[in-house]
Amino acid sequence: DIQMTQSPASLSASLGETVTIECRASEDIYSNLAWYQQKPGNSPQLLIYDANSLADGVPSRFSGSGSGTQYSLKINSLQSEDVASYFCQQYNNYPWTFGGGTKLELK
Amino acid sequence: EVQLVETGGGLVQPGRSLKLSCVASGFTFNNYWMSWTRQAPGKGLEWVASITNSGGSTYYPDSVKGRFTISRDNAQNTLYLQMNSLRSEDTATYYCTRDTGLFDYWGQGVMVTVSS
Repeated sequence: DIQMTQSPASLSASLGETVTIECRASEDIYSNLAWYQQKPGNSPQLLIYDANSLADGVPSRFSGSGSGTQYSLKINSLQSEDVASYFCQQYNNYPWTFGGGTKLELK
Repeated sequence: EVQLVETGGGLVQPGRSLKLSCVASGFTFNNYWMSWTRQAPGKGLEWVASITNSGGSTYYPDSVKGRFTISRDNAQNTLYLQMNSLRSEDTATYYCTRDTGLFDYWGQGVMVTVSS
């Protein structure tokens, strides 16, 4: 199975700040990586697919990058509505696997 | 608008069975693979099962293989998850998801609690 290691597990940042979340795969996943946002009490929602493509309706302050085994999610100019947990997921090989998540809070 | 509505959750004793349902609307159901993904309380996400658009093939992780069965009724736009021999570690919110490799739409989730 492909292991997805996400860091940090938690993050505290100020409004307007830029934050970056990292995800490392245990083997090459050829950019078959998605990022999800889960706001408290809600279902996860797709943010990014194919490592760097923005899902419909996602604000442009979100961006994804990376290749091979290393990927990152960047949020520019943090807004209060970005407080959430974020998960990466690989869909290169079964079983599909997720990172452990990053809980983003406001400082 | 894509909608996925799960039902069937609840409290069940260890070793017993439970069947979840998910009614889909807003897209052509029989064109898409579908999946179930779960989240234990306060924990991360775990993919549980996938089924091809025709229902001809199914996929499971080792953690549920042999105990869970995913199926679908394309005439009724409905996805199912039959869960047998339930364990305490199956306690989670179960989400119905549209599967294109990634999960582009999620239901609101249904809680399953396995406890005596």
